[in-house]
Amino acid sequence: DAGVIQSPRHEVTEMGQEVTLRCKPISGHNSLFWYRQTMMRGLELLIYFNNNVPIDDSGMPEDRFSAKMPNASFSTLKIQPSEPRDSAVYFCASSFRDFLSTDTQYFGPGTRLTVL
Amino acid sequence: GENVEQHPSTLSVQEGDSAVIKCTYSDSASNYFPWYKQELGKRPQLIIDIRSNVGEKKDQRIAVTLNKTAKHFSLHITETQPEDSAVYFCAARGTGGGADGLTFGKGTHLIIQP
Repeated sequence: DAGVIQSPRHEVTEMGQEVTLRCKPISGHNSLFWYRQTMMRGLELLIYFNNNVPIDDSGMPEDRFSAKMPNASFSTLKIQPSEPRDSAVYFCASSFRDFLSTDTQYFGPGTRLTVL
Repeated sequence: GENVEQHPSTLSVQEGDSAVIKCTYSDSASNYFPWYKQELGKRPQLIIDIRSNVGEKKDQRIAVTLNKTAKHFSLHITETQPEDSAVYFCAARGTGGGADGLTFGKGTHLIIQP
């Protein structure tokens, strides 16, 4: 299995531009999570989906952030417009959640976003 | 929501000695407690986890203990080796119904001195 795939791995953009981060979860997993990591705030949960449905988006910092999961194998996190304080590493993670599974979350390699 | 406190933020031990990292959580309904290891520039990787119906779990040199009454859990690494140097994160997860995401501690930078 290729694991969780994220693209791009690095993104440098200017303030005000739209940024789209992409994630392909592990095949067969039914839960997908977006996390953000910064030195100041550590690892924070932004949003998660279960069976392609957003369950909890209370961690999304502002309306500038939006996430979609149009099918079981693809999710996007969009920032529009981007600001320098959005600079961080964004991780996508996936798991298989049912009453019997351990539902371990497997992380992707992350996207390092720099907003100038 | 859940709040996870982790201590210490930095831990330096001699190679071969043991290391202990401690975490506390606030939500008594949390039932799953994983530990992740993150090397510089890499993704967090699960090293061990424990559920609320178990008090202790061991995997070779790594063990985790859980005290539900006190709402704290700890990671124990014995016979530390240079490759154990990394940042370790504890996390807690609720009982579903919208609480499946993990709440992480701020991390412990473990340094193994040769």
